[in-house]
Amino acid sequence: EAGVVQSPRYKIIEKKQPVAFWCNPISGHNTLYWYRQNLGQGPELLIRYENEEAVDDSQLPKDRFSAERLKGVDSTLKIQPAELGDSAVYLCASSRDRGRVSYGYTFGSGTRLTVV
Amino acid sequence: GDSVTQMEGPVTLSEEAFLTINCTYTATGYPSLFWYVQYPGEGLQLLLKATKADDKGSNKGFEATYRKETTSFHLEKGSVQVSDSAVYFCALSGSGGSNYKLTFGKGTLLTVNP
Repeated sequence: EAGVVQSPRYKIIEKKQPVAFWCNPISGHNTLYWYRQNLGQGPELLIRYENEEAVDDSQLPKDRFSAERLKGVDSTLKIQPAELGDSAVYLCASSRDRGRVSYGYTFGSGTRLTVV
Repeated sequence: GDSVTQMEGPVTLSEEAFLTINCTYTATGYPSLFWYVQYPGEGLQLLLKATKADDKGSNKGFEATYRKETTSFHLEKGSVQVSDSAVYFCALSGSGGSNYKLTFGKGTLLTVNP
């Protein structure tokens, strides 16, 4: 089966510009996650979707970040406007069975964002 | 809250050397424990996991044992290869309502020289 697909792989933008990342999860995976990985750190959860509903967005900086998962399949994460501190790798992951990690959790290759 | 502390890197070894990467955790209840690996330019891949105390996870020659008494999940491999060069992350998922979320350590960069 195809894995979790993310695009673009790399993005360089100037600060204050908007940027969007796209994720297509594994077919049949109803739970989708966005994580952010800062340089030299482990990933941190930003938001979790169960189908099209955001069930945990407590770590999403809502003043500039937004996300959507229309039709409960692919998802878009947006930053507007971007700041220098947003430079990081943005990882998408998906799972089935209501997202219990021990049942299996697949990550995409990530989008590396550089804000200059 | 939940947290994971793992050995600072980088770690540099010669091929066929023994590898240990230490990992300890703080969590309430009975978390599940994981090791993920990130090869250059690739996403995170699950290496092994353990879901209850005294379980041993193993894969590709790597092993880790869930030690509740010492809150540890150290990664070991008896003989590393150049192809094992990667960043290794220890992670946990909490019990109960937070069982969907992974909490990661900072990662340990391993370089294996021929």
